[in-house]
Amino acid sequence: DTGVSQDPRHKITKRGQNVTFRCDPISEHNRLYWYRQTLGQGPEFLTYFQNEAQLEKSRLLSDRFSAERPKGSFSTLEIQRTEQGDSAMYLCASSSPRGGPNYGYTFGSGTRLTVV
Amino acid sequence: EDKVVQSPLSLVVHEGDTVTLNCSYEVTNFRSLLWYKQEKKAPTFLFMLTSSGIEKKSGRLSSILDKKELFSILNITATQTGDSAVYLCAVEALGSYGKLTFGQGTILTVHP
Repeated sequence: DTGVSQDPRHKITKRGQNVTFRCDPISEHNRLYWYRQTLGQGPEFLTYFQNEAQLEKSRLLSDRFSAERPKGSFSTLEIQRTEQGDSAMYLCASSSPRGGPNYGYTFGSGTRLTVV
Repeated sequence: EDKVVQSPLSLVVHEGDTVTLNCSYEVTNFRSLLWYKQEKKAPTFLFMLTSSGIEKKSGRLSSILDKKELFSILNITATQTGDSAVYLCAVEALGSYGKLTFGQGTILTVHP
């Protein structure tokens, strides 16, 4: 499978626990994006990377959220001290070197987080 | 702040019907408008529109953009049960490096 891979597909955690999600983009894509989607809403932008540099972060990304992309390949999104409001689908997308939806912008299948 | 509003929020039709989904937007320095189909998992790309009045077509689906009135429509003719999904509209601004602002989506249900 040469698409965008996300792991795990589902995660159930207790409130207050830390969770980490992984995204493996398409290998030749240098841009990587994280979005959050709650039930009945469209995806909301969280952050994006160009190679290993995190170039933009949404105001939605509170201090409990941190994202990394070491070596410009896979990325991780960590949520510390999870809250019930963090329950959502976390989507990752990657795009080709020319960037943007014009050029091969591909979403992964997402990680569904449930905080109980 | 960029904004995208879709209507209707949900729609129920029977196979063979034609549907029109609407998307209005506000964006600083518009670059493109995109339509996606989402069936429980990853959004899959349908169309990208950058110029007014030029219809994009793929099989039974078509879409057009009006940059003066700031809206787009997605038409689906001869609907099938496999068209049941959430249809998402998104906009990209110039200089945003691919960051998309999505609407809340239209849930389309097609009954046999």
